[in-house]
Amino acid sequence: DAGVTQSPTHLIKTRGQQVTLRCSPKSGHDTVSWYQQALGQGPQFIFQYYEEEERQRGNFPDRFSGHQFPNYSSELNVNALLLGDSALYLCASSQDLFYSPLHFGNGTRLTVT
Amino acid sequence: KNEVEQSPQNLTAQEGEFITINCSYSVGISALHWLQQHPGGGIVSLFMLSSGKKKHGRLIATINIQEKHSSLHITASHPRDSAVYICAVMGGGGSNYKLTFGKGTLLTVNP
Repeated sequence: DAGVTQSPTHLIKTRGQQVTLRCSPKSGHDTVSWYQQALGQGPQFIFQYYEEEERQRGNFPDRFSGHQFPNYSSELNVNALLLGDSALYLCASSQDLFYSPLHFGNGTRLTVT
Repeated sequence: KNEVEQSPQNLTAQEGEFITINCSYSVGISALHWLQQHPGGGIVSLFMLSSGKKKHGRLIATINIQEKHSSLHITASHPRDSAVYICAVMGGGGSNYKLTFGKGTLLTVNP
């Protein structure tokens, strides 16, 4: 049973460009959350998707947007990249049950130059 | 002040020692997670708890809702336990899906 998979694993972009990161949740999971983790810091919540809708959003600008597809996979899009967007982007999936444990992917390391 | 504070930030231990990592939070929560992150990024969920105590192998997690405090204990520590341990809290009220994370505790266990 495949866990949470993220692609790509590493990505280098230039300031001002746009990027799309992808996440496939663990089988049986319908909820996907995205997090940004800067070097040496704890992850920061970006947003959560359930039933193809953004259910909750953290304190991130509108440059960060997402999508969830009918098969529950998800994309994170970041427009007009800034140097400060360089980070590890983590995806976590769960079932829409209160005590459902989280399963994390290995992340996408984004470097903006 | 961060909503979730962990201590210590760094911890070095000798193999076999008993380890305690602490987490304090300032908001009402519905659940607390303890996570383990190895170099390279992958995060593994260790525990999710909303009251009392949970045990899994050599790991024990406790939470005191009244005191807004949780601890993660590792008995008979081993070099393979070396990792960053992160505490994360989920808001209360059943409608807050946001996880707020601490900065993590870097644990190094020497042989």
